[in-house]
Amino acid sequence: SQTIHQWPATLVQPVGSPLSLECTVEGTSNPNLYWYRQAAGRGLQLLFYSVGIGQISSEVPQNLSASRPQDRQFILSSKKLLLSDSGFYLCAWSGTTSNQPQHFGDGTRLSIL
Amino acid sequence: QKEVEQNSGPLSVPEGAIASLNCTYSDRGSQSFFWYRQYSGKSPELIMSIYSNGDKEDGRFTAQLNKASQYVSLLIRDSQPSDSATYLCAAYNYGQNFVFGPGTRLSVLP
Repeated sequence: SQTIHQWPATLVQPVGSPLSLECTVEGTSNPNLYWYRQAAGRGLQLLFYSVGIGQISSEVPQNLSASRPQDRQFILSSKKLLLSDSGFYLCAWSGTTSNQPQHFGDGTRLSIL
Repeated sequence: QKEVEQNSGPLSVPEGAIASLNCTYSDRGSQSFFWYRQYSGKSPELIMSIYSNGDKEDGRFTAQLNKASQYVSLLIRDSQPSDSATYLCAAYNYGQNFVFGPGTRLSVLP
């Protein structure tokens, strides 16, 4: 069966510091991968998605970036965090054929001080 | 812009009652629809998928889809306090991205 791992679970960072969140998927090949952010009490905001290694599409211009160095690895990064980057970051994967849902990791709660 | 709309709630129902959650979508080309449950502080968990018009039942959950009206609903029978959560509706048009609604907060009162 497929599993998705996301870490760390919680992160507290000062403004201006760098960020690296990692997500890996097991049990499937060539998944579509997604990064979402969810502010407290709000809906899901799609940040990036990837359909293959090195292929990244950005939905929202901001100081975040994403990379997919391996088929089942998706990384969210920032060189300098802003206060507004606080939130709940979720990685998700889906199959590439039609009608397949997204499955989410446990998320990372990021607090910027 | 493609949108999925849901009442934000909170929707409060007594224990044992039927909870009815509704969702409308703007992209008429959407082919797949999903309901997720999200407990406070946790990630969304898939509970139902529906692809064809009509009803689909899974245990206490029934999803209903009406593509002509661009309407999806989720019924929860015999609601339990453990069903208290935010329910997210998502629509998917193949080749494009999933579109999630803002979620409806459900509170089941013991």
